[in-house]
Amino acid sequence: DAGITQSPRHKVTETGTPVTLRCHQTENHRYMYWYRQDPGHGLRLIHYSYGVKDTDKGEVSDGYSVSRSKTEDFLLTLESATSSQTSVYFCAISESKGQGLTEAFFGQGTRLTVV
Amino acid sequence: GNSVTQMEGPVTLSEEAFLTINCTYTATGYPSLFWYVQYPGEGLQLLLKATKADDKGSNKGFEATYRKETTSFHLEKGSVQVSDSAVYFCALRPRQAGTALIFGKGTTLSVSS
Repeated sequence: DAGITQSPRHKVTETGTPVTLRCHQTENHRYMYWYRQDPGHGLRLIHYSYGVKDTDKGEVSDGYSVSRSKTEDFLLTLESATSSQTSVYFCAISESKGQGLTEAFFGQGTRLTVV
Repeated sequence: GNSVTQMEGPVTLSEEAFLTINCTYTATGYPSLFWYVQYPGEGLQLLLKATKADDKGSNKGFEATYRKETTSFHLEKGSVQVSDSAVYFCALRPRQAGTALIFGKGTTLSVSS
């Protein structure tokens, strides 16, 4: 299994509070992604990173920010959590291979509940 | 834009039945195509992939063929087992470097003995 650790694995937080989720990898992969998984929507991209300090928005980035100060860590922050951000969050990594990328490897997920 | 459409679930089968989960895509150029599987309480695992037209990906008895003419990548298995019960996601990656996977909504498969 790819070395990807998400923390925490479960979190309950109150509306309006800030929350930070962490993704840590030991594979030295260049690309890192944050997805959210919701019933009826599959997985949707929130933000991604293509290198240290290089990040970009995905499909559902509103209300989220990210940071990547080291290759191995990719942080997702909800500045002020809302109930609509209750979801399961997955981190994924991939690396350059030839003229393309490897497949994406996923972490175990973080279940976040905003009450 | 790029998108993936897969059949709605849940799909309920008896053990040893034949499985097909349909997946079609819309993309510019020629994307790479993937099937991922998610077992209860776990993250996604790559099941199989195909990177160019007419490629067939296969793993654990599952197969899917990249059909450019029909923009499809249907997942098949000849004889399902109870242990195959999971959620299956079809996904594509556009050709541009550094782009993320785009997923379908997922299909839940339930196999009974």
